[in-house]
Parts: sequence; C-alpha cells; structure tokens
Amino acid sequence: DAKTTQPTSMDCAEGRAANLPCNHSTISGNEYVYWYRQIHSQGPQYIIHGLKNNETNEMASLIITEDRKSSTLILPHATLRDTAVYYCIVRGGGNEKLTFGTGTRLTIIP
Amino acid sequence: NAGVTQTPKFRILKIGQSMTLQCTQDMNHNYMYWYRQDPGMGLKLIYYSVGAGITDKGEVPNGYNVSRSTTEDFPLRLELAAPSQTSVYFCASTHRTGINYGYTFGSGTRLTVV
Repeated sequence: DAKTTQPTSMDCAEGRAANLPCNHSTISGNEYVYWYRQIHSQGPQYIIHGLKNNETNEMASLIITEDRKSSTLILPHATLRDTAVYYCIVRGGGNEKLTFGTGTRLTIIP
Repeated sequence: NAGVTQTPKFRILKIGQSMTLQCTQDMNHNYMYWYRQDPGMGLKLIYYSVGAGITDKGEVPNGYNVSRSTTEDFPLRLELAAPSQTSVYFCASTHRTGINYGYTFGSGTRLTVV
C-alpha cells in the first residue's frame, strides 16, 4: 500500500471547519483513500473513503486532488467531540490489510 | 446490534503467564483482525483471518497465536507474557476486502504485563 504523510498535530476553533491534509504521492490507480479517527484510546472509527471523486457523508467531506497525490478531510463545523487522532490510509481493492500510520492529533479549541 | 465485542477490557498479567483475549462479532463479517497499539503510536497488525479456518500473520505476530473456528469468534492467545506485550489490543472486522466496506473496531483490551 502507498505510504501517507500527515501533520503530527493541528488545532481548530470550535465551530470552524477543520481541514486535515494527507499526502499520498505514490498512490496507485486502484487504491482508495480512507479516513479513520480514534477518540481517546477508543477503537478507531471509520469516517469516509474515496477513489478520485470528492465524497461527502454525514460526518465529513473528502477532497481528493485531480492527480490523487493528496487529499483533505473536512469536518465542516468542528465540535469538542471531534478532538481525536485522525488517520489517513491508502488501501487497494483485494488487499485484506488496513495499515495505520501515526495520524494527526486534532484538538478543537473552545 | 453489538458490533465487535472484546473481553476483558483490562487485564494485568505476570511475566510468563498466558491468557486469551476474546473477540466476537455479530455482523457475519468474513474478515477479522487483531491490532496492538503502544502508547503514542499507531496500530500494528498482529494476525488476521479471511474466514473460518484461515489465519495469516500480520506485521508483529511473534508471541501470539490465533484461531478461527467460527465466523463470529477470533481469539488471540498469549502463551508466555512478556513486558513488551504491554499494550492496548483492538479487534476489528469487515465484510470482505471489497473497497466499499469500512472496518468496525472493538473498544479494546488494555493489557499490562509485570
């Protein structure tokens, strides 16, 4: 699977949009971008995934650049409960394994 | 709808003792996984299974064993506990390797070996 690079930590004001970047410059054509988050040592929680089109669900939006070498997870109106470690993961179809990096620690500031 | 259930939530073991971490899911998922997470680190894959009777090693399998006799259960066995196995252990499952399926994680087992 392609390696991902994320900032170690970020802060965001409560109520503002949180934009979390991820670089995956070696991504291949059949690999998807997944985002998970882990709140205070709980089990990771699936957020969203995409291939090349932008995606939106009830939790977040995912913007993938046209060349697919980077992506941004957007939490549109961050709340204190969004404070967590966010993991960007690239995984291809047929690959049974999800490989985690160290993620971005997002802190929402009141 | 319980999802992925792990027991126990906490455990303290003495060096050399053995134990089994239990994991069960009620979603009829084919694929199940065991991860460990050391403080301040990401999750590392220990073992995984793509169906009953089939298991395979992940990134850090040494010191662990698994079995998958049923679709629902995927226990992780520690035979001779060592301080290096002090960690939080997460079990996860997914429907299949199809890319449109996310993983569901349990709430974890916090293990301390002293």
